[in-house]
Amino acid sequence: AQSVTQLGSHVSVSEGALVLLRCNYSSSVPPYLFWYVQYPNQGLQLLLKYTTGATLVKGINGFEAEFKKSETSFHLTKPSAHMSDAAEYFCAVSRSFGNEKLTFGTGTRLTIIP
Amino acid sequence: DGGITQSPKYLFRKEGQNVTLSCEQNLNHDAMYWYRQDPGQGLRLIYYSQIVNDFQKGDIAEGYSVSREKKESFPLTVTSAQKNPTAFYLCASSGQGWNEQYFGPGTRLTVT
Repeated sequence: AQSVTQLGSHVSVSEGALVLLRCNYSSSVPPYLFWYVQYPNQGLQLLLKYTTGATLVKGINGFEAEFKKSETSFHLTKPSAHMSDAAEYFCAVSRSFGNEKLTFGTGTRLTIIP
Repeated sequence: DGGITQSPKYLFRKEGQNVTLSCEQNLNHDAMYWYRQDPGQGLRLIYYSQIVNDFQKGDIAEGYSVSREKKESFPLTVTSAQKNPTAFYLCASSGQGWNEQYFGPGTRLTVT
């Protein structure tokens, strides 16, 4: 079975500072990994995903994440926070087979301090 | 434009009534999903369907029912047996391959 742990249900950073949202996963087989963003009262939007190949993946809005198998981590980063980054972020994992369901973490709410 | 639509955005019902939430997609995706979202609990899977006329229970299926008669549609019925139905409900779909899911805008259900 797969599981995801997101450390920190709330994270606050100053505008212009580094954003780091942590995600650790557990999977008995090689995983596919995803980060989604949710703005208030909206659905989720895919930020980026790791399936195979390069372990550093770049996504939309300047975000990136690195798959570290040895640490079972997939942390999300952005060099410089913008006010528009304030949202809730979800990490998700699935098995590396087609048509597999996702298991989501409990989310991290990111607040940007002006 | 391709995407997933959920209607209505807000729904109010009295306790004891069944209510059906709509989810339609025009992405030609085979798989569709229903999630429930409560504050601090992330997304919990209610039901999912990988092909027309077939669906499986997720982690919290009790008090819910679904149907998948058409590829484009996956309605969710919240029955009176669901003890805490007030929540934000999200529908998603995915195509073949990488399991990437596309989400609808959600329906906020309030039962009083």
